[in-house]
Amino acid sequence: AQKITQTQPGMFVQEKEAVTLDCTYDTSDPSYGLFWYKQPSSGEMIFLIYQGSYDQQNATEGRYSLNFQKARKSANLVISASQLGDSAMYFCAMREINNNDMRFGAGTRLTVKP
Amino acid sequence: NAGVTQTPKFQVLKTGQSMTLQCAQDMNHNSMYWYRQDPGMGLRLIYYSASEGTTDKGEVPNGYNVSRLNKREFSLRLESAAPSQTSVYFCASSEWTGLLEAFFGQGTRLTVV
Repeated sequence: AQKITQTQPGMFVQEKEAVTLDCTYDTSDPSYGLFWYKQPSSGEMIFLIYQGSYDQQNATEGRYSLNFQKARKSANLVISASQLGDSAMYFCAMREINNNDMRFGAGTRLTVKP
Repeated sequence: NAGVTQTPKFQVLKTGQSMTLQCAQDMNHNSMYWYRQDPGMGLRLIYYSASEGTTDKGEVPNGYNVSRLNKREFSLRLESAAPSQTSVYFCASSEWTGLLEAFFGQGTRLTVV
């Protein structure tokens, strides 16, 4: 069964600095997708970025980038130039091509300090 | 753009009562999901439906039933609510392929007393 691990319950970062949120995963399927979602205090789930297992390059979306290390089975989210509005819960998730369900990690609460 | 719509947004139940959470999506997605979110545990998959006419158990299916009424709608039923089912419930949908993101509803905050 697939498993997602986020080892940082909480992280702090100074405004305008970069921060890395860790995510490791376990799967035996060679084809899978990795996702990061943001959940602000208002509660909605916001999709941020996606990485496919066969993608050669790390995904980037604006200030978000995904540091994908396939051999280590890690998919860390990097947020550059942190803003106060980045304070939220962040969840890593994975879907396998042969198994349609999407599983989530426990999340990391990021707090951006002014 | 409605996306994924869940009803109700809030609900308080007494132990032993039953209720159905409704979910509808207007994106013509094949796959739909029900998750529960508890503090410190992230989102845990209750049931999912890969396509119309199919449903499968997720990580925490006990105490729940689901119905994929049609391609748009996927409901979650609590037959006899228990305090342990107090949680925030999210419905989500996506295309069938595993390599596309899921879109989420706004969530239902359920309290069982």
